[in-house]
Amino acid sequence: DTAVSQTPKYLVTQMGNDKSIKCEQNLGHDTMYWYKQDSKKFLKIMFSYNNKELIINETVPNRFSPKSPDKAHLNLHINSLELGDSAVYFCASSQDRGGRIIYNEQFFGPGTRLTVL
Amino acid sequence: AQKITQTQPGMFVQEKEAVTLDCTYDTSDQSYGLFWYKQPSSGEMIFLIYQGSYDEQNATEGRYSLNFQKARKSANLVISASQLGDSAMYFCAMREGNTGGFKTIFGAGTRLFVKA
Repeated sequence: DTAVSQTPKYLVTQMGNDKSIKCEQNLGHDTMYWYKQDSKKFLKIMFSYNNKELIINETVPNRFSPKSPDKAHLNLHINSLELGDSAVYFCASSQDRGGRIIYNEQFFGPGTRLTVL
Repeated sequence: AQKITQTQPGMFVQEKEAVTLDCTYDTSDQSYGLFWYKQPSSGEMIFLIYQGSYDEQNATEGRYSLNFQKARKSANLVISASQLGDSAMYFCAMREGNTGGFKTIFGAGTRLFVKA
């Protein structure tokens, strides 16, 4: 029944560790995104994938590596975690091919709260 | 330069009254979409309403309406008959781009408090 799901919901880890966040959508959408929401609630796009192809990479440190094994999944791997990586990470999806592309809203996952100690 | 500006960090409204949340945007594209999302304290992002740049009528969805003034580049959200459950962060967003990639840019948000 869930449209966009993320695991885990909470992630607490030490500086320097490597961690992954998984995202899956069952809406049949062709585009998936990762957003970072900082402590001031500012929401900024990190990556966008369309049909497994990276189309947007918003000057994110290369410690962040998205991976899309198929168009229903977009995982985020983070190497050498830093204190500043603490944030809520949202996965989202939309249908970006065909129809009223520009008007298609994004459906968001529940978010993953990452805390780096 | 900021593409989406929400000038009200916080707003208070009395239950059952209407409230307007401001949003102005900046784009040189002719085709774009404007969206409002709600984020309650539980954290999820909930889509509320959208307005296409070519839509002549203001969008409405239940108690939500979007006051679209294209020449002024504003897309204010109007919530009628506020309810306690409307207390949340509200984000205005703009979607622009082309087949090379569509990007949604969010404003800084407005926190709405509904008073009983």
